Amino acid sequence: LAKTTQPISMDSYEGQEVNITCSHNNIATNDYITWYQQFPSQGPRFIIQGYKTKVTNEVASLFIPADRKSSTLSLPRVSLSDTAVYYCLVGEYSGAGSYQLTFGKGTKLSVIP
Amino acid sequence: SQTIHQWPATLVQPVGSPLSLECTVEGTSNPNLYWYRQAAGRGLQLLFYSVGIGQISSEVPQNLSASRPQDRQFILSSKKLLLSDSGFYLCAWNRYSTGELFFGEGSRLTVL
Repeated sequence: LAKTTQPISMDSYEGQEVNITCSHNNIATNDYITWYQQFPSQGPRFIIQGYKTKVTNEVASLFIPADRKSSTLSLPRVSLSDTAVYYCLVGEYSGAGSYQLTFGKGTKLSVIP
Repeated sequence: SQTIHQWPATLVQPVGSPLSLECTVEGTSNPNLYWYRQAAGRGLQLLFYSVGIGQISSEVPQNLSASRPQDRQFILSSKKLLLSDSGFYLCAWNRYSTGELFFGEGSRLTVL
C-alpha cells in the first residue's frame, strides 16, 4: 500500500491561498490521488481527484508533478469555514477489484480571522 | 442518487457488552463497502472492507468483526466491547472505477 505523508497542521489567515503538500513516494501506476475534507463529527467528503498534471474544480486545484511522488492541494482564498482536517489518499487497485484506501493522519488546517 | 445510512448515531455501552452497527447503501449495486474508526483526535483507521456478499477483509486484528449478509448491507459487531473500542465509526462505499469514497454520517460509540 502506498503511504502518504502530510504536515500535521497548518495555520492561515482568511483570504489567503493555502497549499498542502502530500508525499507518496511509493505510488503505483494505477493509483489515483484523492483529497478529502473532514469537519468534526462528520464523515470525510471528497474534494478533488487527479492522476497527473493539474486538476481544477470549483473549490480547489490539485497539482501533481511528472514523477507523481507528491501532490499539492491548493485552496484559493480560504475562509473560516475551511477550517477542517484534509486527507490525502492514494488509491490502490487489488486483484479482487476493490480499493484499499488508507487515510493518513491528515493535515489540520486552522483559518484565522 | 446514491445514499448511505448508518445507525445508531450514538451509542453508550458498558465494557463487555455486545455491539452491532449497521450500514446500508441505496441507489447502487455491488458497492465496495468499508468500516473505518476514528479515535478522538486521530485519523481514520480502516477496519474492514468488502467487495461482495460474504467477502470480508480485515485490516487490523481486534475484537471486532464485520459481516455482509446482503449486497448493500454491512454490519460491524463485537461480542465483548473494550474501553479502547470507543470512537467514531464510519461506513463508506466507493465506485469500482475510481477511489472516490462516500461516507455515512457516522456512529459515535462510548464504552464505559
